[in-house]
Amino acid sequence: GAVVSQHPSRVICKSGTSVKIECRSLDFQATTMFWYRQFPKQSLMLMATSNEGSKATYEQGVEKDKFLINHASLTLSTLTVTSAHPEDSSFYICSARDIRAGANTEAFFGQGTRLTVV
Amino acid sequence: QQQVKQSPQSLIVQKGGISIINCAYENTAFDYFPWYQQFPGKGPALLIAIRPDVSEKKEGRFTISFNKSAKQFSLHIMDSQPGDSATYFCAARGGQGGKLIFGQGTELSVKP
Repeated sequence: GAVVSQHPSRVICKSGTSVKIECRSLDFQATTMFWYRQFPKQSLMLMATSNEGSKATYEQGVEKDKFLINHASLTLSTLTVTSAHPEDSSFYICSARDIRAGANTEAFFGQGTRLTVV
Repeated sequence: QQQVKQSPQSLIVQKGGISIINCAYENTAFDYFPWYQQFPGKGPALLIAIRPDVSEKKEGRFTISFNKSAKQFSLHIMDSQPGDSATYFCAARGGQGGKLIFGQGTELSVKP
């Protein structure tokens, strides 16, 4: 399958600072990228959907001013957690899909980023 | 209507046995039903997927059974191995942007 790379895999930041997570599609063009958050022993919860060149669509209850998503190119999307607090500590996962390839295309997942806010 | 309900929450199977995980959905607009395998600290990896016009799909030891009228689908892992020990998620896709809705997950432990 296609490769989606997330960076960093782990990050520790101080409370009140911002942290940026990158999601890259390495061998295909990702017209659509999805950002998920996963707490320990829980399922993946969709945070937002971003289409290249457009504003992200956030799921209900997700603060768009806190979780800034940029999808400026067909191979890169970034998630910035602003003014991070300990409750933002979680596993963040992106997935990418090229919807131009048709309705049957898969979404491929990155390896995830473990964010710890201290 | 957007929920996908998965059971059981955890499952212990002996090596060589059959692992069965079930999911149910409500939204008939879902058009794609994948299963993902996730190891601790890793992102989910696609295992097998099915579309609603097919009742069964088999890939190696993994089989999806799909019951459109009951709005249920299940994953069967034949000849389960300790290396299959992981968390399994069912999902359903549909709606705007083709976003995936995940089930709650099943933690599978295969005992040697």
